[in-house]
Formats: sequence, structure tokens, C-alpha cells
Amino acid sequence: QKEVEQNSGPLSVPEGAIASLNCTYSDRGSQSFFWYRQYSGKSPELIMSIYSNGDKEDGRFTAQLNKASQYVSLLIRDSQPSDSATYLCAVNMGGGSYIPTFGRGTSLIVHP
Amino acid sequence: SAVISQKPSRDICQRGTSLTIQCQVDSQVTMMFWYRQQPGQSLTLIATANQGSEATYESGFVIDKFPISRPNLTFSTLTVSNMSPEDSSIYLCSVGTSGGAIEQYFGPGTRLTVT
Repeated sequence: QKEVEQNSGPLSVPEGAIASLNCTYSDRGSQSFFWYRQYSGKSPELIMSIYSNGDKEDGRFTAQLNKASQYVSLLIRDSQPSDSATYLCAVNMGGGSYIPTFGRGTSLIVHP
Repeated sequence: SAVISQKPSRDICQRGTSLTIQCQVDSQVTMMFWYRQQPGQSLTLIATANQGSEATYESGFVIDKFPISRPNLTFSTLTVSNMSPEDSSIYLCSVGTSGGAIEQYFGPGTRLTVT
């Protein structure tokens, strides 16, 4: 069964620190990787997508992909209390399906 | 990204009844999906809503329980039929970009409570 695994947390970091969120996936043929942020009581919103090995930066967010290790991460620099949310990893596992599989999400708490 | 609205935003229903949830998009989109998210859980895909043809259901979901309509490229409905308390959940519609890598944008969700 194709799976996307995330530590449910909560991950607690102080304001201004780097938050590191991790995600592993089971299908070596996966091609597309996404990070969504979901505030409590709200719907998920797409914050990053990454398709190639290496780093992709967007503002305070950096997505890192290592296909050999089947690992994708999201770094949040200078974390703010407003970053407190659940972060969902989604992976397009291929195999004929183009719809990403979502992980269970990691809860991030940024405390002042 | 597309602007997506859902109606109703929340409802409390009695067991055995049905509820139809509407999803409206402000632009034409090819791909529309329906998800369920139970408290503290991740997203579970119910089905892909196909314009002009029957929806494609995921394992564990059937048309009799979750009939879906997709009359055009901007609108879809999901009906939760013969509800039980286990159907209490948040139901989300989403639209996807095309081209092999599906980036999804979600509606605000419908919070359903079945008593």
C-alpha cells in the first residue's frame, strides 16, 4: 500500500527559530511533492510544490527533496506564531494515479 | 488560483436523512474532487467529479451513499445519503491544476454533524 508518513507532533519551536517538518513516502516512482498548511478550523492551502531533487526556496519556506531516500522536508525560517498550524505533505505516487496522497500532517506550534 | 465556495458551511442533521453539499468555482476547471476530513485526521479522497460522466469513487466509497453530480465545469454537488453519526465530518471540495502534477486548491469546507 502506498503511504505518506509524517510525525503527528506537535513540534514546538520558539519564535525566530527554524522549524523542520519531515515526510517520507513509500513509492520510489513518485514525481510530485506538495506541502499544504491548514490552520485550525480552516481548509488546507498550498504553500510549496517541488518536483526535482534539491532545495526550492520561497520566502521563509524551503522545500527539500531527496528521491533516493524517499524523503521531503519543509523548513520554515524565522518562525512566527502565525506559522502555528498543521502542515500536510502530499505526494503524487504515480502508478497511473495523478491524484496526490496526503499524509496525516504535523502540528507545529511556534511559541513567543 | 480559483475562488471556491461551498454551501452550506455547516449543518446538523438527523440520522437517516440526506444532505447535499454544493461547490461553486469562479472559473472553469477540469478537475474537481471531494474529500472527507474527520477530526484530527488527514484528508480522505471520496471521489473525482467528472464533468458529463459518472464520478470515479475511491475504495470504500460508493455511489449509493455519496452520489455526485458535475453538470458543468464550475459546479459540483456531493450528497451524503442515509446519514449515520459516523458520517460526521468535514467535507471539502477541491479543484486541481492539470498537466500531470496536481496542485489542489480547497474550498472552505462543510462541517456536518449527524445526531
